[in-house]
Amino acid sequence: TAGITQAPTSQILAAGRSMTLRCTQDMRHNAMYWYRQDLGLGLRLIHYSNTAGTTGKGEVPDGYSVSRANTDDFPLTLASAVPSQTSVYFCASSDGENNEQFFGPGTRLTVL
Amino acid sequence: GQNIDQPTEMTATEGAIVQINCTYQTSGFNGLFWYQQHAGEAPTFLSYNVLDGLEEKGRFSSFLSRSKGYSYLLLKELQMKDSASYLCAAMDSNYQLIWGAGTKLIIKP
Repeated sequence: TAGITQAPTSQILAAGRSMTLRCTQDMRHNAMYWYRQDLGLGLRLIHYSNTAGTTGKGEVPDGYSVSRANTDDFPLTLASAVPSQTSVYFCASSDGENNEQFFGPGTRLTVL
Repeated sequence: GQNIDQPTEMTATEGAIVQINCTYQTSGFNGLFWYQQHAGEAPTFLSYNVLDGLEEKGRFSSFLSRSKGYSYLLLKELQMKDSASYLCAAMDSNYQLIWGAGTKLIIKP
């Protein structure tokens, strides 16, 4: 079982460009999440989705958008990247609100 | 505000025991999670506590005191592969996880 996959593994992006980070899970989990992880800080929630067709804003949603057209996919889009969005991005999923979250391998994004 | 505090770094010896503490303040509480994260990898689930007390799972145990807003992760019989960051996360009333910055555990032979 693949679990959660993310693409790309890493990316260097020019400021002002747009980019979509992909996330796919094969566990049929209802809930999915996008986090960013920066050195010295805890994981911070960007957006989440409790079920297909619904999304919600997390702690740091500005500059990011998501969609949840089906259960398996939860892409994260940066419309116009800025250097402060340089980070490692993790996608996660869970099969219940207070159940453990399973994480993808992460995407390392550098915005120059 | 919501806050999670845990030590930045700890060092221990192979074969020994180490306790990693975590204090939390959240708007509501729906449980306390511990995750392990090796360098350059994704976090992986270790434990979940929602009731007071100790949960034991092999070499790892996790303790929770809701009245004190306190948890700890106890690692016994330390192995070199236990060198990693340990992340404490509390779930708030909206079922969102509030994460600590992680404790980097260094194991020395």
